[in-house]
Amino acid sequence: EVQLVESGGGLVQPGGSLRLSCAVSGFTFSAYEINWVRQAPGKGLQWVSYISSGGDNIYYADSVRGRFTISRDNAKNSLYLQMNNVRVEDTAVYYCARDGRYRGTQPNPFDSWGQGTLVTVSS
Amino acid sequence: SYVLTQPPSVSVAPGETARITCGGDNIVNKGVHWYQQKPGQAPVLVMYYDNYRPSGIPERFSGSNSGNTATLIISRVEAGDEAEYFCQVWDRSSDRWIFGGGTQLTVL
Repeated sequence: EVQLVESGGGLVQPGGSLRLSCAVSGFTFSAYEINWVRQAPGKGLQWVSYISSGGDNIYYADSVRGRFTISRDNAKNSLYLQMNNVRVEDTAVYYCARDGRYRGTQPNPFDSWGQGTLVTVSS
Repeated sequence: SYVLTQPPSVSVAPGETARITCGGDNIVNKGVHWYQQKPGQAPVLVMYYDNYRPSGIPERFSGSNSGNTATLIISRVEAGDEAEYFCQVWDRSSDRWIFGGGTQLTVL
């Protein structure tokens, strides 16, 4: 069974840092691209970042570029999101989501999601 | 940047057909994907590349994409279909995933 489990969320002050993790099982992690997606309370989905299977291609939303860093450790079947200089507007549930690999030409929609971890930025 | 526009809400009676639209500039040239999200749960992919259903999604779900509008169609709507639905595209010009704002489907 494919599983993605996020952790590391919590309360952080504006300007602070937090590192989210996503532990995966049930599939060959090193073969899949992975994304971070967030959802502010009562709001819609917002894509945050993408990393290719080997970690050589990385993309960010404008709202987090320069502050957040996505990375992965294929040996540990884990994905990370280092969040620096956080803002109140970064408050959200953060999901990791697997690229479905439906087609090989570009990033694909997300066929598996974790249950999310809540990040609250507040003083 | 590319923008996807969804109606905030759609209401339909059980057994009827729900149509949820997603508007974008020449969206026909992009593959559109749809997610269903129920309260307190992670999103679930229900349609990809306009009209392909992932395994486990009922045949009642279908999709279309033409001109500036993509549509998720849910036939014979059931109470269990009540959820928020989000459309999504990959914007090649900016290397970003774009989500629509979401549509709350209410089953009357």
